[in-house]
Amino acid sequence: EMVMTQSPATLSVSPGERATLSCRASQSQNSNLAWYQQKPGQAPRLLIYGASTRATGIPARFSGSGSGTEFTLTISSLQSEDFAVYYCQQYNNWPPVWTFGQGTKVEIK
Amino acid sequence: QVQLVESGGGVVQPGRSLRLSCAASGFTFSFYGMHWVRQAPGKGLEWVAVIWYDGSDKYHADSVKGRFTISRDNSKNTTFLQMNSLRVEDTAVYYCAREQRFCSGSSCYHYFDYWGQGTLVTVSS
Repeated sequence: EMVMTQSPATLSVSPGERATLSCRASQSQNSNLAWYQQKPGQAPRLLIYGASTRATGIPARFSGSGSGTEFTLTISSLQSEDFAVYYCQQYNNWPPVWTFGQGTKVEIK
Repeated sequence: QVQLVESGGGVVQPGRSLRLSCAASGFTFSFYGMHWVRQAPGKGLEWVAVIWYDGSDKYHADSVKGRFTISRDNSKNTTFLQMNSLRVEDTAVYYCAREQRFCSGSSCYHYFDYWGQGTLVTVSS
């Protein structure tokens, strides 16, 4: 069973500062990792796929890196609209299963 | 523009059934796999089920296997989730999501590029 572990659970950051979020997979699935942002009362929004490719319309301050079992989402300079919960998600080939991490909440310091 | 609109949520007693629908528009529905993802109150995201673009295959999370069934009607651009034997722990917002597959070289990536706004299912006596 694939398990995705995100850290930290909560990250307190001041606007304009850099935020670094981590995601660890219990099994390697190459770069088959995506990141989503979710604000209260809203559906998740795709930020990153393939571990490092920004989705359409996502600002360049969001970047993803990593492969194998260790992945990172970096927000270079936090804007007010970036305070939200972030989830990583990996796909397992067989049986087909999509697994999410438990989320990291980025809050205003 | 791509739109996914869920419906069918509500309050239901434990052991009863409910059927969710997800109406899609703005894209060629029959080209894409479709999923259901749920989120219990104050909790994280949990993948529930997937159905292939042509309905030829489907998979369910262990937590719902044998109780929930995903299906689709490509003539109506709609995905369904039949939920039987509901439990209190099934209480959640249920989202439908479109699966995007992107292949580069020998690697293919599977992720959710569009989500509906969700429909709340509350299982309570």
